[in-house]
Formats: sequence, C-alpha cells, structure tokens
Amino acid sequence: EVVLTQSPGTLSLSPGERATLSCRASQSVSSDFFAWYQQKPGRAPRLLIYAASSRATAIPDRFSGSGSGTDFTLTISRLEPEDFAVYYCQQYGSSVITFGQGTRLDIK
Amino acid sequence: QLQLQESGPGLVKPSETLSLTCTVSGASISSSHHYWGWIRQPPGKGLEWIGGMSSSGYTYYNPSLKSRVTISADPSKNHFSLKLTSVTAADTAVYYCAGDGGSDRWYYYWGQGTLVTVSS
Repeated sequence: EVVLTQSPGTLSLSPGERATLSCRASQSVSSDFFAWYQQKPGRAPRLLIYAASSRATAIPDRFSGSGSGTDFTLTISRLEPEDFAVYYCQQYGSSVITFGQGTRLDIK
Repeated sequence: QLQLQESGPGLVKPSETLSLTCTVSGASISSSHHYWGWIRQPPGKGLEWIGGMSSSGYTYYNPSLKSRVTISADPSKNHFSLKLTSVTAADTAVYYCAGDGGSDRWYYYWGQGTLVTVSS
C-alpha cells in the first residue's frame, strides 16, 4: 500500500501570499493516478486537481498541481480568504485509494 | 450533474453491522464508466477510503477493512450500499459516498456525509 506523507502539517499564511503544499509517496505513483482535494469544516471534500496537474471543473486557476514519481506539489498562487481549509493528496494504485493525512492552511 | 445522498442509522451498537445507503440522482449507477465509493472520516481526523465499485459491479476494498466490508448496488433503486460488520468505537466517523463519471481514480461528486456513532 502506498503511504502518502504531507508537509507541512499546518501552514500559516496571509491572504495574497503564495502557498506551497507537498505530498511525498512511499513509492513511485503514476501522475495519471494522483489528485488533490480541499475540505472546509463540516463539508465534504472537493476535488481540486486530478492527474497531478489538471484542474477540476470550476476550480480557479490560482490552484495548480505539479510533480511526478514520489513528490507532488499543490500551489495556490495568491491566497483568497476562502482558500483557508484542509488539503488532502490522494493516489490510486492496484485498485486501492490512499489519502495523505492532510495539511491545514490557516490564516496568519 | 450527479447528486449523492447518504442514509442510514446514526447509532450502531458495538459488534453489530453498520449499514448505509447512497442514493444517486442525475445518472444511473449502471451507466458505463461511472464509479462509486465510500470514504470515512473519524471526528477531527483525516480521510480513509473504504472501498469502491464500478458501474459493471466490480468491487475493490481497502485491504485493512476488506474482511469486514461489502459494497453492493441496487440498480432498480439507483443506489449502492455499504455494510461494515463487527463494528467498534474505532469505526465512529462521518461516512461519505462519492462518485465519478469517468474515472475510478478519484471522486468529483460527494454526498454531504452522515455521522455514524458506535456506542452501546
């Protein structure tokens, strides 16, 4: 089973700043099988990025994903107040889905 | 536009079976290339994938839960279900059903989630 480790655990930034969230896999993952989600308190997760770098429908272009192999990154170019939430990475392989433990993005 | 809605008991006794249903609207659960799944989230913790199912009925499970989980579909009611046996307090969580109209690799559509508490 592929273990995903996200860093940092918590990131404190101000609106307008750039956020860089990392996700490291315990073994190589196909970029075609990698995704990022955003979750706000009391809400279901929302798919942001799929296939490592493709934005899901209606996701603003300030969100971008990159990476390959074992290292993947979610970048938010200029933080808006509604972007402060928890972010999860996710991979699919051998008919099993695993999630990272999450990065909390807090307002500084 | 798919919509999913979980339903089922909010309280289950230890050692009993947790049963939830996800009713889908906006598409048939038997539609080609549609994929469905269950994910849970213990209070204050992260997401854990429980298992999934393709529109053709193929099922696949989290290895750590596989011995206790069954996911099945009822096309006549356009819903799919989760059964988790021999529950303990560790199974207390918000349970989400989710789906995608093109891939089994991620989930675009999610239900609102339902809290299931395991307690006597």
